[in-house]
Amino acid sequence: GAVVSQHPSRVICKSGTSVKIECRSLDFQATTMFWYRQFPKQSLMLMATSNEGSKATYEQGVEKDKFLINHASLTLSTLTVTSAHPEDSSFYICSARDQTGEAQPQHFGDGTRLSIL
Amino acid sequence: GQNIDQPTEMTATEGAIVQINCTYQTSGFNGLFWYQQHAGEAPTFLSYNVLDGLEEKGRFSSFLSRSKGYSYLLLKELQMKDSASYLCAVMDSNYQLIWGAGTKLIIKP
Repeated sequence: GAVVSQHPSRVICKSGTSVKIECRSLDFQATTMFWYRQFPKQSLMLMATSNEGSKATYEQGVEKDKFLINHASLTLSTLTVTSAHPEDSSFYICSARDQTGEAQPQHFGDGTRLSIL
Repeated sequence: GQNIDQPTEMTATEGAIVQINCTYQTSGFNGLFWYQQHAGEAPTFLSYNVLDGLEEKGRFSSFLSRSKGYSYLLLKELQMKDSASYLCAVMDSNYQLIWGAGTKLIIKP
């Protein structure tokens, strides 16, 4: 089955640090990847849609300059949380969709738990 | 606007059957997905329905009625490990996923 790898799984760092999260599709090519954030006991919130070779599409209220997305290849997208602060602490999850069809399920990485002290 | 409704929480007994409903109103329809999410983990894909009817996959089945904007996920022979949140998501005309808030399923012995 489709596998998405997300790394790192957990980050604990000081306020002001920038954190980079990688999302890789291991056995399929993904033109589109998605970045979600989930706070405890809340539903998934889409942050941005990452498109290979072009700029990401951000959801309303998500700061482009704070959450930098790079989708340089068909198998890798990265999310960089710049100058992270305690309010950025959350569970960040990426997903990828097989490029062979738009009506394909999104397959999720295992998520990154980010804790900013 | 686009809307997905599913119950917030349900409780069922080990070995029993439970049905989790999902109703939707979206701009266009390109399929409905069910995902399972255990606490502290990422969602995992369960099923996809794009045509009316029932799709069976082991202990889990998913039903769709496009005319009613309605789906359900049926879980049989419940096991304790089935305790999780179940997310309903609809793919709209732009192939974007619209997510429900999830149904937390609690299984009691």
